[in-house]
Amino acid sequence: AQSVTQPDIHITVSEGASLELRCNYSYGATPYLFWYVQSPGQGLQLLLKYFSGDTLVQGIKGFEAEFKRSQSSFNLRKPSVHWSDAAEYFCAVGAGAGNMLTFGGGTRLMVKP
Amino acid sequence: NAGVTQTPKFQVLKTGQSMTLQCAQDMNHEYMSWYRQDPGMGLRLIHYSVGAGITDQGEVPNGYNVSRSTTEDFPLRLLSAAPSQTSVYFCASRKRGDLYNEQFFGPGTRLTVL
Repeated sequence: AQSVTQPDIHITVSEGASLELRCNYSYGATPYLFWYVQSPGQGLQLLLKYFSGDTLVQGIKGFEAEFKRSQSSFNLRKPSVHWSDAAEYFCAVGAGAGNMLTFGGGTRLMVKP
Repeated sequence: NAGVTQTPKFQVLKTGQSMTLQCAQDMNHEYMSWYRQDPGMGLRLIHYSVGAGITDQGEVPNGYNVSRSTTEDFPLRLLSAAPSQTSVYFCASRKRGDLYNEQFFGPGTRLTVL
C-alpha cells in the first residue's frame, strides 16, 4: 500500500523568505502526486499536480514542486512567502484501487511579519 | 456549475444517534469518495464509488455506510454515532479518464459527537 510522509509538522518562515515543504512517498510505480492547501476553516485547494513529463511542476500562487524519483520525494517550494500563504499544506498520492488519494499528515506554515 | 456540495456544514450528535451526510456533484463525475480529516493525520479515505451502484471500502470504513444510486449523489451514513467519529468530513469527485485523476473537494462537514 502507498504512504505519504510530511516530516515537518510546523514550519515558521519570515515574510519574503523562501520556503520548502518536504514530502516523501512510498509506492512501487510512478504515482499521481498532488499538493493541496487548506486555510483555517476552509476546504482543500489544489496547488499543483504531477503524473509524468517535466519533473518541475508549476502551480498556482507562485508555488512549484519537483518530483525526484530517486528520492521518492515531491517537495513544494516558493521563492518568496507572503503572509497570506499561512495555512496547512497537504501532500497526497493517487494510487491503488480507484486511484484514491492517500494524504500526508500535513505541514502547518506560519509566516512572521 | 456548483461543483461538489455538502450538507450540513456543521452537526452535533449524541452518542448512538444516526445521521446522513449529504454529498452531491453536478460535474457528471463517475468517481466519488468520502474522507475524514483529523489533526495530524491528514485526510483518510472512508469509502469510495467508481460509479452508480458500485461502492468499496477505504482505509477507515468501520461505522460508516454508503450507497450510490445516482451519479450525482453519494451520501455517508453513520448508523450509531460514536465520539471517535468527531471529525471534519470531505466529499470529493473526479472524472474517469482524467489524465491527472484530479479530485474536486466539497467544503466539508464538521461533525461533533458528544
